[in-house]
Amino acid sequence: DSGVTQTPKHLITATGQRVTLRCSPRSGDLSVYWYQQSLDQGLQFLIQYYNGEERAKGNILERFSAQQFPDLHSELNLSSLELGDSALYFCASRVGTDPNTEAFFGQGTRLTVV
Amino acid sequence: GQQLNQSPQSMFIQEGEDVSMNCTSSSIFNTWLWYKQDPGEGPVLLIALYKAGELTSNGRLTAQFGITRKDSFLNISASIPSDVGIYFCAGSYSNYQLIWGAGTKLIIKP
Repeated sequence: DSGVTQTPKHLITATGQRVTLRCSPRSGDLSVYWYQQSLDQGLQFLIQYYNGEERAKGNILERFSAQQFPDLHSELNLSSLELGDSALYFCASRVGTDPNTEAFFGQGTRLTVV
Repeated sequence: GQQLNQSPQSMFIQEGEDVSMNCTSSSIFNTWLWYKQDPGEGPVLLIALYKAGELTSNGRLTAQFGITRKDSFLNISASIPSDVGIYFCAGSYSNYQLIWGAGTKLIIKP
């Protein structure tokens, strides 16, 4: 158990819909990262938050947005969903912002858009 | 931008065989990290490398940070069934974001 909790574990929704994925980081970790992993693909970095503020942006679509709340949990909002958005979405957390330190990953949310 | 090439993409091996995979970068890195993703789980850090030429072991796993700082390899000796999964390399320079390889899928032939 990495200490990072993601809900829900599975999500099936229709095209055009909007969903919210939730992540609770490890206790004490201030940084939260969101990644997308399409089938048999590597991890695509989407966005990073540190202590409530956006820190870095990767290949995140405009239809996607995220935020980190005062209690440090984070939500990733995906709207106007398309079939190609079907993927595993991972959240990871680390204490600070140094990418050279270990990040702890949640088990992911598997999103299926039909 | 920076790119990481990880190879091979997948490997079919017999139990007991040694495994080798590597990553090469288009530019130099200060850090190389190797993660493993078990089926249905998130990636977990296996080995972290912080110095060119560094050779680090973690049980049957050995990883090296290439002298040129543009490559790294991971070896697994005497593979066992629980070694199956996807192995990712990731690298960074200074405090920039980690760049991830596409992963090497390890499958053990029954």
